Amino acid sequence: ILNVEQSPQSLHVQEGDSTNFTCSFPSSNFYALHWYRWETAKSPEALFVMTLNGDEKKKGRISATLNTKEGYSYLYIKGSQPEDSATYLCAFIPDTGGFKTIFGAGTRLFVKA
Amino acid sequence: DGGITQSPKYLFRKEGQNVTLSCEQNLNHDAMYWYRQDPGQGLRLIYYSQIVNDFQKGDIAEGYSVSREKKESFPLTVTSAQKNPTAFYLCASRAETYNEQFFGPGTRLTVL
Repeated sequence: ILNVEQSPQSLHVQEGDSTNFTCSFPSSNFYALHWYRWETAKSPEALFVMTLNGDEKKKGRISATLNTKEGYSYLYIKGSQPEDSATYLCAFIPDTGGFKTIFGAGTRLFVKA
Repeated sequence: DGGITQSPKYLFRKEGQNVTLSCEQNLNHDAMYWYRQDPGQGLRLIYYSQIVNDFQKGDIAEGYSVSREKKESFPLTVTSAQKNPTAFYLCASRAETYNEQFFGPGTRLTVL
């Protein structure tokens, strides 16, 4: 059974703090890893699509790294703002035919002003 | 605007009733998915469809049914056989490039 683990489950930080989350996934049969941001009352939206070992992606204050050999990805937020408050989901896509996406349970981030 | 719509946003069902959740997309994607979310858990796959008139069971299909008569539409029926249907339901469609998924706003189903 393919499993994706995210930690921590939730995180409370102050505005201006930098933070990071972890996504662990199977280190074999890798095709892609996605990070999604899911704000309350909205749909999850893709932040990053990561496909190669060593990938580093950045969007504003948010960045992500990927290590497919050891099966983990980190998401970093620099100088957290209240609008960063959301659930961050990672999703592992194995190279077994295309339809399957395995989601982690998410990290719920709360940023206090 | 291209995207995915789901309706209704909130749905209340009495025990023993079947209910149908709507999902429509105008992204021209072939593949569509239904997921269920329970507190503290990841999204779990109920059904998926890779093309019109074809669909496959996911990990938790028991008590659910779907149809895919049009590319744009993928409705989910929660039947009375689903023992614990109270949950949040998300519909998604999938882009061809690296399987990025696009989600609707979700339907929260509560059984009274």
